[in-house]
Amino acid sequence: QKEVEQNSGPLSVPEGAIASLNCTYSDRGSQSFFWYRQYSGKSPELIMFIYSNGDKEDGRFTAQLNKASQYVSLLIRDSQPSDSATYLCAVGGTSYDKVIFGPGTSLSVIP
Amino acid sequence: DVKVTQSSRYLVKRTGEKVFLECVQDMDHENMFWYRQDPGLGLRLIYFSYDVKMKEKGDIPEGYSVSREKKERFSLILESASTNQTSMYLCASSGASRGRETQYFGPGTRLLVL
Repeated sequence: QKEVEQNSGPLSVPEGAIASLNCTYSDRGSQSFFWYRQYSGKSPELIMFIYSNGDKEDGRFTAQLNKASQYVSLLIRDSQPSDSATYLCAVGGTSYDKVIFGPGTSLSVIP
Repeated sequence: DVKVTQSSRYLVKRTGEKVFLECVQDMDHENMFWYRQDPGLGLRLIYFSYDVKMKEKGDIPEGYSVSREKKERFSLILESASTNQTSMYLCASSGASRGRETQYFGPGTRLLVL
């Protein structure tokens, strides 16, 4: 059974701080990695995807991938109250069809 | 912009009724998915389809069926609704090649079975 795990929440950070969200996966053959954000009562929306080891930056968001450790993380710099949401990690295999979603981590940014 | 629409935002049905949830995407995506999302259980895949008239079971297909007669449309059918099928249902679509596998979600249908 392929699994994706995320650090248990809820995670609370003060406004302006760095929020760090972590995800581990069990399938060594995984090829693609995604972070989705889901506001309460809404559907998930893509924040970032990453395919290669290392860091990928997009504005205040940085995704980090370490395939050897089977670990992917999302850093949110200068956290804002509008970043308060549940963050879902998703991992894709070799078929480009299904991805496996993690259970999500709830983030609360305190003004 | 990718657009995935679902036929209803909210539905209330009675136990034993047949329920149809419809999803339409406008991005010519090959893959379409149905998930349900429940508190504490995350997103669980019910069925997915990688081509017209093709379907594969996901993790929790029991009590559900699907239909994909056209590429842009994927329907989820609850043959005989039960109270344990009360949930948020999310449809998603994606491409089938590297770089296009991001899943785009519809707004969701919140189903209540009484």
